[in-house]
Amino acid sequence: AQTVTQSQPEMSVQEAETVTLSCTYDTSENNYYLFWYKQPPSRQMILVIRQEAYKQQNATENRFSVNFQKAAKSFSLKISDSQLGDTAMYFCALEYGNKLVFGAGTILRVKS
Amino acid sequence: GAVVSQHPSWVICKSGTSVKIECRSLDFQATTMFWYRQFPKQSLMLMATSNEGSKATYEQGVEKDKFLINHASLTLSTLTVTSAHPEDSSFYICSASRDRWTDLEQYFGPGTRLTVT
Repeated sequence: AQTVTQSQPEMSVQEAETVTLSCTYDTSENNYYLFWYKQPPSRQMILVIRQEAYKQQNATENRFSVNFQKAAKSFSLKISDSQLGDTAMYFCALEYGNKLVFGAGTILRVKS
Repeated sequence: GAVVSQHPSWVICKSGTSVKIECRSLDFQATTMFWYRQFPKQSLMLMATSNEGSKATYEQGVEKDKFLINHASLTLSTLTVTSAHPEDSSFYICSASRDRWTDLEQYFGPGTRLTVT
């Protein structure tokens, strides 16, 4: 079975600071994809970043970057220069066989 | 591009009635559509996967007779909650994907809040 674990229910960070959200997963597949989604209060799911398991290089999208440790099955998200608009629920997700399995989510609050 | 809409955005219905939620891909053809359920402050749980012209594949524990899914075209999927009860109140989200070999990303709709009284 594929599982995704986010062990931080809530986190907070000061504006302009850096924060890291943790995610671990379990899968027996060798080819898979990992994603971080953001769900703001509007509840629209927004793709933040994705990582192909076969790629060793960590994905980066502007202020968002990941630390992908395949052997450890770890996939953390780093948000640099946090902004008030980053306040949202963040979900880590594992894609296999065209399905997404989501973690429980981490509520991130950016404080001014 | 890759916009997915849902209608209605919120609906209130009485216990025992049925309600239909539509999911449309507005600017692309969706080979596969997915339906998720999300309780407050919880994660998204996949309910079913549907491919155009085929019967939906339901996840374990999801009542197929209660949650009817129809994927009649490459741009439209519907979820009908039959004989709704208060415990069916939830936030329902659909997503759509193109041909997996060209684009495996799922594009999400804005969700539908269902309240059963």
